[in-house]
Parts: sequence; structure tokens; C-alpha cells
Amino acid sequence: DVKVTQSSRYLVKRTGEKVFLECVQDMDHENMFWYRQDPGLGLRLIYFSYDVKMKEKGDIPEGYSVSREKKERFSLILESASTNQTSMYLCASSFGTLYQPQHFGDGTRLSIL
Amino acid sequence: DAKTTQPTSMDCAEGRAANLPCNHSTISGNEYVYWYRQIHSQGPQYIIHGLKNNETNEMASLIITEDRKSSTLILPHATLRDTAVYYCIVRAYQSGNTGKLIFGQGTTLQVKP
Repeated sequence: DVKVTQSSRYLVKRTGEKVFLECVQDMDHENMFWYRQDPGLGLRLIYFSYDVKMKEKGDIPEGYSVSREKKERFSLILESASTNQTSMYLCASSFGTLYQPQHFGDGTRLSIL
Repeated sequence: DAKTTQPTSMDCAEGRAANLPCNHSTISGNEYVYWYRQIHSQGPQYIIHGLKNNETNEMASLIITEDRKSSTLILPHATLRDTAVYYCIVRAYQSGNTGKLIFGQGTTLQVKP
């Protein structure tokens, strides 16, 4: 079974802090994704990566950056956390071409106070 | 990506088959049908996908009509743990596609004892 592991289930940070969310997958998948999920807004893509050191902006990249130094690990960074970044953050990975199904981690519920 | 229409909610008795319908009347020839589900406070879980043939795996069966305008996800023996929101997504692979998933409202399946 595919395993996508996110470092924290719940996280509380303060405004202005630099926040790191980590995601690791164990299936040698090329593609990795970061989404946020908010009530009424559904799933929104922040960034994705189709290879090591490669990254592409999704629909809402402002205020975020990513890092992919190793194939299995994709990190999301909130440069200076703000209250409007309080959300559920979901990491996903997929194999090969982009129509392959994505496999998600359990999510990190991040609260910015 | 083609639009999908699903019922807002459904009930199913534990141990019975759950049949979740999805309409995608504007689907085009290169678009796949995917099903995901999301149990409360967890990340989405991939269930199954198909192009035009019926598909079956250890979790479910996917029945796609011959004209491909609709499909049905079948959970053969629903359990209480199958209570979740089920999302039907139609998506094509194309050059320049970010691969992002867009979840609609989905169907809330309530499995009852």
C-alpha cells in the first residue's frame, strides 16, 4: 500500500512565524502535491513537483514556498504565517504521468494564532 | 475537465451493497472517471478509476455506462467505516495540466447499523 506521511496531525503557530510542513512518501513517486482544504472552498492546489528540485506553482502559491531535495520528501514552508493560512493542509503523491491517481496523507490541521 | 453531478446524500444498511451514482454527460473521450472518499478529519483516499471498461479492486467496483455519460461506484458489503463523503471526478491527462484534483460537493454516504 502507498504510504504518504505528514509530520504532524495538528499544529498551532503564531503569526509571523516560519512554519515547515513535511511530507514523505514511500512509493518512489515522481509527483508530489500540496493542497489546502477549507470549508466551502474545497481542495486548492498550492504547489506541485514532478521531480527532485523541480516545483510548479498551483492556484494559490502566495505566502508559501516548497522544497524537494529528495524524491521521497516534499516540504511546504509558510514564510511568515498569517491567520488566513489556518487550514487543513494535505500532501499527495502520484506515479508517472499526471493522470495517475493521487494518494494522500492524513493532513495537518494548522492553526495560526 | 467535465462537470460531475452526484446526489448530496445517501443511506445504506450495514452489510448491503452501496451504489453511488455519478453523472458526467459532457465527458470526452480521453477523460477518466476517478472516485475518492474522505472520512471526517482524514485525508482523501483513492478508491478506483476507469476509462470505459468496468473496473474492480479490493475496495469497490466501478461500472461505466456504454455511452460513458454516467457511472456507479459499488461498495459490495458496506460497513460503518465506509461512512464518508464520496467524490466522483472526471479528469484528462493533457500537456500542461498540473494534475490538480478538484472535488465537487460529493455524496455523503451514511452506513447505518
